[in-house]
Amino acid sequence: KQEVTQIPAALSVPEGENLVLNCSFTDSAIYNLQWFRQDPGKGLTSLLLIQSSQREQTSGRLNASLDKSSGRSTLYIAASQPGDSATYLCAVNFSSGNQFYFGTGTSLTVIP
Amino acid sequence: DVKVTQSSRYLVKRTGEKVFLECVQDMDHENMFWYRQDPGLGLRLIYFSYDVKMKEKGDIPEGYSVSREKKERFSLILESASTNQTSMYLCASSLEVPQHFGDGTRLSIL
Repeated sequence: KQEVTQIPAALSVPEGENLVLNCSFTDSAIYNLQWFRQDPGKGLTSLLLIQSSQREQTSGRLNASLDKSSGRSTLYIAASQPGDSATYLCAVNFSSGNQFYFGTGTSLTVIP
Repeated sequence: DVKVTQSSRYLVKRTGEKVFLECVQDMDHENMFWYRQDPGLGLRLIYFSYDVKMKEKGDIPEGYSVSREKKERFSLILESASTNQTSMYLCASSLEVPQHFGDGTRLSIL
């Protein structure tokens, strides 16, 4: 069974710190991987999409990397701000189907 | 910008009722999805659809059905609501990737 794991479940950092969120998955034969942000009581907002042929994607202060061989992706947030406080979810589309499998997310709090 | 609209943000229904959750997207996307989100379990796929009148079961289809009569609209139906279906329901659409989500419907079954 394909599984996606995000550790830690929660993280608190002071404003201005750089931080890394982790995502691991059980099957290296992935099609693509997507990072989302979810604010309390809201839907998901897509942040970055990495295709299986790519190693990383960048958008502003966010950088996502993909290492298929080790079954890992990281989301790097530079110079964190209180507005970055949210839950970050990783979703993997495995090559065996067109279904995304989601991690349970990391709840990030950036303290002013 | 892609817009995925879920008809209700909050809904309260009673056990045994037939419940309809509606989702509309405005980008002519082929694919539409229904998920439920529960604490500690993350998002789980209930049903998805690749085209009009087409549907596929996800991981947890029991107790649910769907309808896709028009390309822009994907409905989730709880045939006879039960308390264990109290959850946050999220609709998404996509051409291929990325998936675009609505704001969710928080459904309480009493």
